Amino acid sequence: KQEVTQIPAALSVPEGENLVLNCSFTDSAIYNLQWFRQDPGKGLTSLLLIQSSQREQTSGRLNASLDKSSGRSTLYIAASQPGDSATYLCAVLLSSGSARQLTFGSGTQLTVLP
Amino acid sequence: DARVTQTPRHKVTEMGQEVTMRCQPILGHNTVFWYRQTMMQGLELLAYFRNRAPLDDSGMPKDRFSAEMPDATLATLKIQPSEPRDSAVYFCASGSQRNTGELFFGEGSRLTVL
Repeated sequence: KQEVTQIPAALSVPEGENLVLNCSFTDSAIYNLQWFRQDPGKGLTSLLLIQSSQREQTSGRLNASLDKSSGRSTLYIAASQPGDSATYLCAVLLSSGSARQLTFGSGTQLTVLP
Repeated sequence: DARVTQTPRHKVTEMGQEVTMRCQPILGHNTVFWYRQTMMQGLELLAYFRNRAPLDDSGMPKDRFSAEMPDATLATLKIQPSEPRDSAVYFCASGSQRNTGELFFGEGSRLTVL
């Protein structure tokens, strides 16, 4: 069974800092990995999607990397802003036969202080 | 603006009552997921459909929960009878296997069972 772990569980940084969120998974036979953002009381917003054949994806100040062999992904946020405060979740999509499941990590709660 | 639509957004009911939550996936998407989110358990997969066929509902308590897709534009999750421990936010997500496997989430249905 795929297990997804996110470290740290919570992170507080001053505005302007660059930061890295970590995600690890136990089964490297993945189809893709997605990073989501969730604001309090809201749904999940997809930030970046990395296919299993890719090593990284970038969108604005966000950069996500994927190392399948070591079962790790990182989300790098440059020049953090208070508006980046949210919970960030990574999710791994397996390619197991005809059924595909998305397994979520427990998230990292990020607070960017003004 | 394509999005996953969920109704109701909020529901308060008494124990023993039937609850039905509805989801309209993004037009053209052929995969639908139902997730439940609680503080203690995080995001849990309840059911997964592809081309309207249920492929995995192993995460769903069978005695009281049921999930269906009457047509390609509607997915339903029903709880009968509801219990206080069912209180959670229920998310629907849809995706297209032709579109990189990226999933898009609705805003969720917040259920409170008294």
